[in-house]
Amino acid sequence: EVQLLESGGGLVQPGGSLRLSCAASGFTFRSHAMSWVRQAPGKGPEWVSTIGGSGGSTYYADSVKGRFTISRDNSKNTLYLQMNSLRAEDTAVYYCAKPKDTSMVSPPDYWGQGALVTVSS
Amino acid sequence: QSALTQPASVSGSPGQSITISCTGTRSDVGGYNYVSWYQQYPGKAPKLMIYDVTHRPSGISNRFSGSKSGNTASLTISGLQADDEADYYCISYTSSTLWVFGGGTKLTVL
Repeated sequence: EVQLLESGGGLVQPGGSLRLSCAASGFTFRSHAMSWVRQAPGKGPEWVSTIGGSGGSTYYADSVKGRFTISRDNSKNTLYLQMNSLRAEDTAVYYCAKPKDTSMVSPPDYWGQGALVTVSS
Repeated sequence: QSALTQPASVSGSPGQSITISCTGTRSDVGGYNYVSWYQQYPGKAPKLMIYDVTHRPSGISNRFSGSKSGNTASLTISGLQADDEADYYCISYTSSTLWVFGGGTKLTVL
């Protein structure tokens, strides 16, 4: 059974940093690109970032480019999102998401339970 | 990258069919057959209903179908049921970043 367990969310001041982790199990982690998708309160989902299976390819939404860094440790089956220079508009539930198959253009299929990030003074 | 355009709300009576549109550009919806649709209930993670424009994942009812014409993709739900009432989001591959979501459509079953 596919399981994705996010951790690391919390309250942070504007300009601060936070690192999210996502522990994955139940599938061959290294074979799949992985993504972060966020959802602000009362809003729709927003794609944030995707990383290829080997970690060699990374992609970012314009809204986070230069501030967020996605990475993975395939030896630990873990996905990360380092978030710097956080802004109030980054407040959201952050989901770790696994694609339907191993293609880079495969849409997210399995989602974690989400980690709440609140940026406020 | 701007969000794909969806109607804010649609409604229908039980048994009827409804269609939700998702409009983008040639750089996303119109240029690739990588449009997917999600259903989301309040407080829950999105659930994949359609992928690659027309394909249904295993376990998804054939009452849900997808199509595309030009820069607009559509999700059709036939034989509306009460538990179809939810938010629906499209997502498309885009050449500029990777993925872009639609703004979402609230479906009300009257």
